[in-house]
Amino acid sequence: SQQGEEDPQALSIQEGENATMNCSYKTSINNLQWYRQNSGRGLVHLILIRSNEREKHSGRLRVTLDTSKKSSSLLITASRAADTASYFCGISGYALNFGKGTSLLVTP
Amino acid sequence: GAGVSQTPSNKVTEKGKYVELRCDPISGHTALYWYRQSLGQGPEFLIYFQGTGAADDSGLPNDRFFAVRPEGSVSTLKIQRTERGDSAVYLCASSLGGRQETQYFGPGTRLLVL
Repeated sequence: SQQGEEDPQALSIQEGENATMNCSYKTSINNLQWYRQNSGRGLVHLILIRSNEREKHSGRLRVTLDTSKKSSSLLITASRAADTASYFCGISGYALNFGKGTSLLVTP
Repeated sequence: GAGVSQTPSNKVTEKGKYVELRCDPISGHTALYWYRQSLGQGPEFLIYFQGTGAADDSGLPNDRFFAVRPEGSVSTLKIQRTERGDSAVYLCASSLGGRQETQYFGPGTRLLVL
């Protein structure tokens, strides 16, 4: 089964900057879900975007989906130290499959 | 409301022993999922329940792994004859309906096999 592949693997920015991470996949999807994980514990759901949607917003988060390029991006605006975490995209087709994630470090 | 809970938080066992990991989903959620996450990796799908039945168990690595959900709520993941390679964080998630909906994750059980 296919996975989402996040890139970059690691991203380091300063507070106040924007962070962009990307997810690519190989086959058709029903939806794509972005999650955050702190310190290897449970995943926190951020945004679900369906295959017929192109963009969704939630607070400082903006997710785009380009099904022709089979890719999605997660933008975090005005980042904070508390945004430091790993971010995963979950591909929902046959099963929800995750890549290795993007490790984001936001320094004060 | 209460989220997904998992017990125990941590489990240390010896190679060859049997372990059970428990998941309490969000009340009313019909779908339940088990994942396994090794260090530095993303969660890996193990099994998906819709109600009491395992709708998809294609992710279970071998027949030492088994999961049940007898009343359509609480689920138990059972691992027989544990091996050191089974050490990982085992995550449970639930969703209101099928797998096309948002999945809500529990905090995980960290299993260490010595």
